[in-house]
Amino acid sequence: ETGVTQTPRHLVMGMTNKKSLKCEQHLGHNAMYWYKQSAKKPLELMFVYNFKEQTENNSVPSRFSPECPNSSHLFLHLHTLQPEDSALYLCASSQERASYGEQFFGPGTRLTVL
Amino acid sequence: DAKTTQPNSMESNEEEPVHLPCNHSTISGTDYIHWYRQLPSQGPEYVIHGLTSNVNNRMASLAIAEDRKSSTLILHRATLRDAAVYYCILSLPSGSARQLTFGSGTQLTVLP
Repeated sequence: ETGVTQTPRHLVMGMTNKKSLKCEQHLGHNAMYWYKQSAKKPLELMFVYNFKEQTENNSVPSRFSPECPNSSHLFLHLHTLQPEDSALYLCASSQERASYGEQFFGPGTRLTVL
Repeated sequence: DAKTTQPNSMESNEEEPVHLPCNHSTISGTDYIHWYRQLPSQGPEYVIHGLTSNVNNRMASLAIAEDRKSSTLILHRATLRDAAVYYCILSLPSGSARQLTFGSGTQLTVLP
């Protein structure tokens, strides 16, 4: 596997379910991100991890819980979601250094909450 | 955060150059200008970035106005595979994990 991978690619869940999204990057990067892309809305940054430490949480509801056990893996734990949480969830990674570090995105997980 | 303004949509003919404009009149002296694009059913991908000088890479060129209040992404020969939403984004330089604030972007349609 190369680049940034996300599993599952599609997920349907009820409002009472608990599920997790997984992201893995094979690029040796030290920063990872979760974004949400709802229909007809711009991408919204949710969480940022830098060297496994969460550095940003953009007012995301507590029903979304991120976990970054190491610099290659990022999880988004989901519980008691609402139908309006249905969206494409994108993971990205970057190598932060003195010069530029572009973000590499995964293909996303298409989440539907019933 | 400094904002960017882009046209909602643009059309181009295949194999012709495309100039995608972006206005960022409130840009600060340390903001980088980034361009990403998102093809249908895919995550965004990096295109190019710059600070003050014009930049070229294998995908595109970035022309930055002298006052840095606007920039233009140039695709030298559009192909059908270039049809995507193009995002112009400002952010601080690296040193910490960078926040990219995506706007609505420009939907580029390439006509055969």
